Amino acid sequence: GAVVSQHPSWVICKSGTSVKIECRSLDFQATTMFWYRQFPKQSLMLMATSNEGSKATYEQGVEKDKFLINHASLTLSTLTVTSAHPEDSSFYICSARRDSPLHFGNGTRLTVT
Amino acid sequence: GQNIDQPTEMTATEGAIVQINCTYQTSGFNGLFWYQQHAGEAPTFLSYNVLDGLEEKGRFSSFLSRSKGYSYLLLKELQMKDSASYLCAVRLNTGFQKLVFGTGTRLLVSP
Repeated sequence: GAVVSQHPSWVICKSGTSVKIECRSLDFQATTMFWYRQFPKQSLMLMATSNEGSKATYEQGVEKDKFLINHASLTLSTLTVTSAHPEDSSFYICSARRDSPLHFGNGTRLTVT
Repeated sequence: GQNIDQPTEMTATEGAIVQINCTYQTSGFNGLFWYQQHAGEAPTFLSYNVLDGLEEKGRFSSFLSRSKGYSYLLLKELQMKDSASYLCAVRLNTGFQKLVFGTGTRLLVSP
């Protein structure tokens, strides 16, 4: 069964608005979650590491003021894309580690018009 | 920086065997993972190597040579449903042990 739940599966928003994506670990606690972005026909690019109770760690080139990450509890991390632009349209995937491998949510397809 | 390279695309025939290679140069190493990803879906875990050698899991096997910075995923008895992207990923031995993905290989299985 699913280990990580991500919501929504897809969202369409207008340019300039903000979108929040939720990532939940099911039946286990995740002190660390990871947020990835994937453009068409490309691989997954790590955006940031979300840490419960502290600030997220962003990868080089990722704007922390644009992609707000909040790890509110041991089972929930949220990614908010602020002031979205068409170039932010992408597939956003969260992940959490249970045992050894990372388990991924089903992803969120964001389209900014 | 981290470099993880895979062939972009491969084709194979149903019932055949295919080997997908992955070479890596990373700032740390704490395991290598293989994931399968169908278009529009999230990656699913296939295999994991932390020590040198071969790990077998049904139709899928993965090999690792840490000294050579090299791994491969072997798929046997190919089925049409194996058409997907295959992602090689290295877990770094940093505090968060983040997973860095390779470029991915799109595999097309034909009848």
